[in-house]
Amino acid sequence: AQSVTQLDSQVPVFEEAPVELRCNYSSSVSVYLFWYVQYPNQGLQLLLKYLSGSTLVESINGFEAEFNKSQTSFHLRKPSVHISDTAEYFCAVTFTGGGNKLTFGTGTQLKVEL
Amino acid sequence: DAGVIQSPRHEVTEMGQEVTLRCKPISGHDYLFWYRQTMMRGLELLIYFNNNVPIDDSGMPEDRFSAKMPNASFSTLKIQPSEPRDSAVYFCASSLGDRGREAFFGQGTRLTVV
Repeated sequence: AQSVTQLDSQVPVFEEAPVELRCNYSSSVSVYLFWYVQYPNQGLQLLLKYLSGSTLVESINGFEAEFNKSQTSFHLRKPSVHISDTAEYFCAVTFTGGGNKLTFGTGTQLKVEL
Repeated sequence: DAGVIQSPRHEVTEMGQEVTLRCKPISGHDYLFWYRQTMMRGLELLIYFNNNVPIDDSGMPEDRFSAKMPNASFSTLKIQPSEPRDSAVYFCASSLGDRGREAFFGQGTRLTVV
């Protein structure tokens, strides 16, 4: 069965510190990978995605994620976080032949503190 | 485009009443998804449509839930009768194509059944 695992439910971090949010997936077929962000009382917004090509993908607000096929991971990183990055982050995958059906991880609450 | 539009944003109803949630996908998108978000279960895919046809409804919790998509610009999710355990945020999302295109989410409907 195909699944997505986010190992950390909460990650507290001080402002300007680096952060890594972990995501692992399980699949016997090729995947497309996504990170979504959800701010309080809002819907999910796409942060970045990996479809093919370079395994390192970046967002416009400084986040990056690297697709590692051998470790079946797609960890999200930011070298220096800001208070405004406080939100819940969801890793998601679609599987080849699965249409566009997104399977989500359980989410990681990133809390940036002063 | 205004994005995915959901209505109402908030709904409070009494147990046993019928509830109808509405969604207008992004124009031109051919996939539509209904998700439910709770603290206990996270994000669950309830059902999705492709070109107005239901493709996978295995996530619909029980017969009290039904979804329709009468045309490409409108979908409904109905709960009849509603129960307190149906309280959640319900998201509608739409996407284009089947090659890893990201899903765009609405703002969600927060349903409270008392």
